[in-house]
Amino acid sequence: ETGVTQSPTHLIKTRGQQVTLRCSSQSGHNTVSWYQQALGQGPQFIFQYYREEENGRGNFPPRFSGLQFPNYSSELNVNALELDDSALYLCASSFDGSYEQYFGPGTRLTVT
Amino acid sequence: KQEVTQIPAALSVPEGENLVLNCSFTDSAIYNLQWFRQDPGKGLTSLLLIQSSQREQTSGRLNASLDKSSGRSTLYIAASQPGDSATYLCAGQGGTSYGKLTFGQGTILTVHP
Repeated sequence: ETGVTQSPTHLIKTRGQQVTLRCSSQSGHNTVSWYQQALGQGPQFIFQYYREEENGRGNFPPRFSGLQFPNYSSELNVNALELDDSALYLCASSFDGSYEQYFGPGTRLTVT
Repeated sequence: KQEVTQIPAALSVPEGENLVLNCSFTDSAIYNLQWFRQDPGKGLTSLLLIQSSQREQTSGRLNASLDKSSGRSTLYIAASQPGDSATYLCAGQGGTSYGKLTFGQGTILTVHP
């Protein structure tokens, strides 16, 4: 049990729609990262937020955006969904100054 | 750009066997190396974190080592059990201003009774 929760567990959307995924971290975890994991692949880094500011971004287009809130929750927003966006989306949080990341159970997104 | 490779892609062993999973990375400036376990359709469970100043970490039947000069890490599992069946992922973390993890594709481990 990592203390990191994600919602919803599963989600089905249609191509072109928009989706918001949510993550809730432990108190004191000032850093949250989001990863996309396609079937059979390792997770790919999307971006990271530190104290509510984006603090690094992977090779993902601008239609992937995020927010981090003062209550240690965060959101991943994806606009104009494409079929290739179908994946498991994982959030991970860590304490200030710690490199160890704690992952949530993920949200399985299916785009049809 | 950091690239992480895991060998083998899949491994099937009988219960009780000792086994080694391999992870290699291209950038020796790696800061930390973390091993995770993932059960089907689930999130990641951290198994071991080896920090830059360390060479190995142990937890129960698991031992992980890190050799930055050769760009390799190994995860040793002693006396494997059917409950160890899962996908094992290694991830490198560079010494940058943020903690991006670069993952390998994982090793699918099956331990049969």
